[in-house]
Amino acid sequence: GAVVSQHPSWVICKSGTSVKIECRSLDFQATTMFWYRQFPKQSLMLMATSNEGSKATYEQGVEKDKFLINHASLTLSTLTVTSAHPEDSSFYICSARIPLPGTDTQYFGPGTRLTVL
Amino acid sequence: GESVGLHLPTLSVQEGDNSIINCAYSNSASDYFIWYKQESGKGPQFIIDIRSNMDKRQGQRVTVLLNKTVKHLSLQIAATQPGDSAVYFCAENIPGMAGTALIFGKGTTLSVSS
Repeated sequence: GAVVSQHPSWVICKSGTSVKIECRSLDFQATTMFWYRQFPKQSLMLMATSNEGSKATYEQGVEKDKFLINHASLTLSTLTVTSAHPEDSSFYICSARIPLPGTDTQYFGPGTRLTVL
Repeated sequence: GESVGLHLPTLSVQEGDNSIINCAYSNSASDYFIWYKQESGKGPQFIIDIRSNMDKRQGQRVTVLLNKTVKHLSLQIAATQPGDSAVYFCAENIPGMAGTALIFGKGTTLSVSS
């Protein structure tokens, strides 16, 4: 299957700082990537859809000014958590869809564990 | 105070048994379904998928069954192994909307004892 990477795999930061998480498709070009958040023992919650060359689409209740998404190339999307607070501590996972007709499978990155002190 | 979170259903089986994990999906228009396996601290891993024009699909040791009448999906794992222990999520895709994300179910924790 397709390979999606994330960096960093984990990060610890102080409250009030900003953290950038990268999501890369390693062996295919992804016009669309997705960002999810997962709290312990819960399912994945979609935060936003990242579209290459255009603005991201955010889900209801997700603050676009707090979670900045940039999809500047066909292989890279970034999520920046601005002015992070302890309640932002979570597991952030990205996924990418192979842009072929009839292909809906999404491949996920390994996730990034964010801990805000 | 004490925090309350969502508790994932748990399935406990013995090594070598067959496992069946069930999922009820939400949208009758969904045309594509995927099962993912998620190990602790890792991202979801693709297991098997099925389109709505099928009712059964088999992979290596896994079978997915789709019942569109009752909007039910199941994952069968044959000869379950300790390495199969993980959380399993079903996901559905709603057609007609370009770039839509998958909708995930709540997940089931599979625990395999040897």
